[in-house]
Amino acid sequence: QSVLTQPPSVSAAPGQKVTISCSGSSSNIGNNYVSWYQQLPGTAPKLLIYDNNKRPSGILDRFSGSKSGTSATLGITGLQTGDEADYYCGTWDSSLSAAVFGGGTQLTVL
Amino acid sequence: QVQLVQSGAEVKKPGASVKVSCKASGYSFTSYDINWVRQATGQGLEWMGWMNPNSGNTGYAQKFQGRVTMTRNTSISTAYMELSSLRSEDTAVYYCARGITATTVLGYWGQGTLVTVSS
Repeated sequence: QSVLTQPPSVSAAPGQKVTISCSGSSSNIGNNYVSWYQQLPGTAPKLLIYDNNKRPSGILDRFSGSKSGTSATLGITGLQTGDEADYYCGTWDSSLSAAVFGGGTQLTVL
Repeated sequence: QVQLVQSGAEVKKPGASVKVSCKASGYSFTSYDINWVRQATGQGLEWMGWMNPNSGNTGYAQKFQGRVTMTRNTSISTAYMELSSLRSEDTAVYYCARGITATTVLGYWGQGTLVTVSS
């Protein structure tokens, strides 16, 4: 079981919007920045969002991040079949002195 | 461009050790921390620890304390992760990843190294 809690799967139709939640505690999300990663099948993870809501260079504005209290959310608009992947949230846990990840959410674009 | 190129797949017997390398290029190797993250087949990401290539300082996840050693050779811009006393549960893809703004904001990843532990 992961320190951060994500839904195992979400789905939506092409062109629609989807959100993925990530729940933690005061020792991790509550007091540290959150990152989001996309992992396409058979590839290494890719950074999508860092510092709660910043996008690295080259990441489209279809991807957005937010944080409130001890939860964070990844939003994806204008869904495409190419967005089908596993998505992970991650942050630092001050009590564990370790980086922690959510269990991952599989996105299906129907 | 930033690249992290890892060593090839390994097959090890239970109780053995494995050492995975991660060669960095396209940036100053000693300027950014290197993390190691593993992923068992069909499972999520698991952070193992970090290393500062400049000082050699390390920080390991409690789960791996005593079994993992992260080192580097700055002359060839290469980081290493050695895991000892291997067991079947250590079968996974091992990734090195470089931080960007902070140590554990993992902006660049290696291609992964499959380590299989089997008798």
